Order: sequence, then C-alpha cells, then structure tokens
Amino acid sequence: GAVVSQHPSWVICKSGTSVKIECRSLDFQATTMFWYRQFPKQSLMLMATSNEGSKATYEQGVEKDKFLINHASLTLSTLTVTSAHPEDSSFYICSARGLEGNTEAFFGQGTRLTVV
Amino acid sequence: GQNIDQPTEMTATEGAIVQINCTYQTSGFNGLFWYQQHAGEAPTFLSYNVLDGLEEKGRFSSFLSRSKGYSYLLLKELQMKDSASYLCAVMDSNYQLIWGAGTKLIIKP
Repeated sequence: GAVVSQHPSWVICKSGTSVKIECRSLDFQATTMFWYRQFPKQSLMLMATSNEGSKATYEQGVEKDKFLINHASLTLSTLTVTSAHPEDSSFYICSARGLEGNTEAFFGQGTRLTVV
Repeated sequence: GQNIDQPTEMTATEGAIVQINCTYQTSGFNGLFWYQQHAGEAPTFLSYNVLDGLEEKGRFSSFLSRSKGYSYLLLKELQMKDSASYLCAVMDSNYQLIWGAGTKLIIKP
C-alpha cells in the first residue's frame, strides 16, 4: 500500500509555544488530507479536511486559528498547533487520499503531543 | 444524521473465531472500511467492501449487506497480537469517511 510519513512521532513542548506536524505522502499524490486527534481510549475525531491548494475545512468546534493547516503541495500537509496548552496534549494522526475518491485513506504513524 | 454503531468491547479466546458487527446510517454509500488500531499507533487498513457479500483475506473476512446497512469483520484462529481496536468506517456520498467509535477486542489465552 501507499506510504504516508508523519513527523515527528512524538513531541514535548512548553505551554504557549507552537508545534508543527508534517504529513507527507511518499509514493502517491494526495489530493485530500485529513487531520484527526484521538484522546486515550476514544475513537478518531476528525479535525479538518484539506484539499491541495485550497483552505482547509474545519469540523465544528475546532478552532481554525489555533490549528493551522497548510496543504501547499500534493505530497505535504502541515498542522501547526499554535499557543499550545496542556489540554491540547493528544495523539494527532493524518491520513491522505489519492486522486481517486473512492479509495482507502492511508494513515501516517501519528504524533504524540505532550504540552507541559 | 449519520451514525455508525459497533460494540464497545469484545472478549475472545486465542485460537477461536470472533465476529465484530457494524451497522450504519449514512447519507450515501461509497464503501465500508475496516481498520485495526493497536494502542498508541495509527490505524492500519484491513478491508474494503463496496458490493454485497463476503471478502476473505487470510484469517480476516469482511461481509457487507447494503440493504441492511450492516457489515461484520470475522477474525479466525485468533492470536494474542489480534488484541486491538477495530474501527468501522463508511465513505458517504461526498467521499468523506464516517468513523465508528471502535471495538476493543481482548484476546485471552
């Protein structure tokens, strides 16, 4: 299957700082990328959907000014958590989908963010 | 609204067979996916069904009935490493994935 690389795998940052998470599709062009967060023992919660070259669509309750998403190319999307707070500590996962709409979404490895 | 239902938790014995059910109500249907997720890791793809019937892939099989809005994931010859959460997801008419809450499968020796 296709490979999606997410970096970093884990990060610890101080409260008030910003953290950038990268999601790259290594062997296919990802027209659509999804960003999820997952709290312990809970299912995936979709945060936003981004299509290459256009603004991301955020789910209700997700602050777009806090979670900045950039999808400037067909192989890279980034999520920046701005002014992070301890409650932002979570597992963030990206997934990418190729040119055909009805295909599986390939997941990155996930990023464990801890804000102290 | 859109809804995916699956049991919260199931327990099975090593070597046995377990069936995890998933029912759905979505606006449109473009396929149903099953993913496996071990604790602290990202989900990994298991199966995709878009037509009615059974798809078999090794120890795992997935069944779909579109008229009933129903799917199941069948795991045979259970191994301890199969202990994980199993996520059911439906792709709606906009090609968006609607996720179930996941079924935590506990395998006992």
